[in-house]
Amino acid sequence: DTGVSQNPRHKITKRGQNVTFRCDPISEHNRLYWYRQTLGQGPEFLTYFQNEAQLEKSRLLSDRFSAERPKGSFSTLEIQRTEQGDSAMYLCASSPRQLAKNIQYFGAGTRLSVL
Amino acid sequence: AQTVTQSQPEMSVQEAETVTLSCTYDTSESDYYLFWYKQPPSRQMILVIRQEAYKQQNATENRFSVNFQKAAKSFSLKISDSQLGDAAMYFCAYRRPNNNAGNMLTFGGGTRLMVKP
Repeated sequence: DTGVSQNPRHKITKRGQNVTFRCDPISEHNRLYWYRQTLGQGPEFLTYFQNEAQLEKSRLLSDRFSAERPKGSFSTLEIQRTEQGDSAMYLCASSPRQLAKNIQYFGAGTRLSVL
Repeated sequence: AQTVTQSQPEMSVQEAETVTLSCTYDTSESDYYLFWYKQPPSRQMILVIRQEAYKQQNATENRFSVNFQKAAKSFSLKISDSQLGDAAMYFCAYRRPNNNAGNMLTFGGGTRLMVKP
């Protein structure tokens, strides 16, 4: 069990560019979550996958954001036409199949800076 | 919608002393889960302790314990014998009852805990 892995750890981009982040959950965790955390604030939910199906999306997830989880393994979060307001830490979490033990395990995050 | 409020942006405690972090929440559900997560600087968030709302007994994990007051919708975290390694951001979080709707976490704004040697 190597934990939730996120890449890259840091991303600096210019306004208007597209960026993509990757999350590798703990193996055999069928649930995967994306959160966004701005400086000094708590994380805010973006979207949720159960296996390969995207079951919930927050209103924070504008049409410039898209997330995928092909084959129910790793997930990617893409932001198109980045804006300075997208600068934040993007956190990924996964949790196991058993609902009784539905504790979310977090990755270290990808810090995005939009210049 | 559920909300979670942490009214203490920063707290300070002397090493080996005890500190209590406050959290209140708002929900119309009768069954739910509450969590405290710790986020050290530049490191990933880790679970400290969790509480099921249907359990009256307060959860305890070594030096960490909670005071869960369901009627008051209060969920405070007590850290005993504080250590330098306890310095971090602490987030209180709420999760809806178990169902297929994702069980995402709703977080408070966090409390930064500083531990003085």
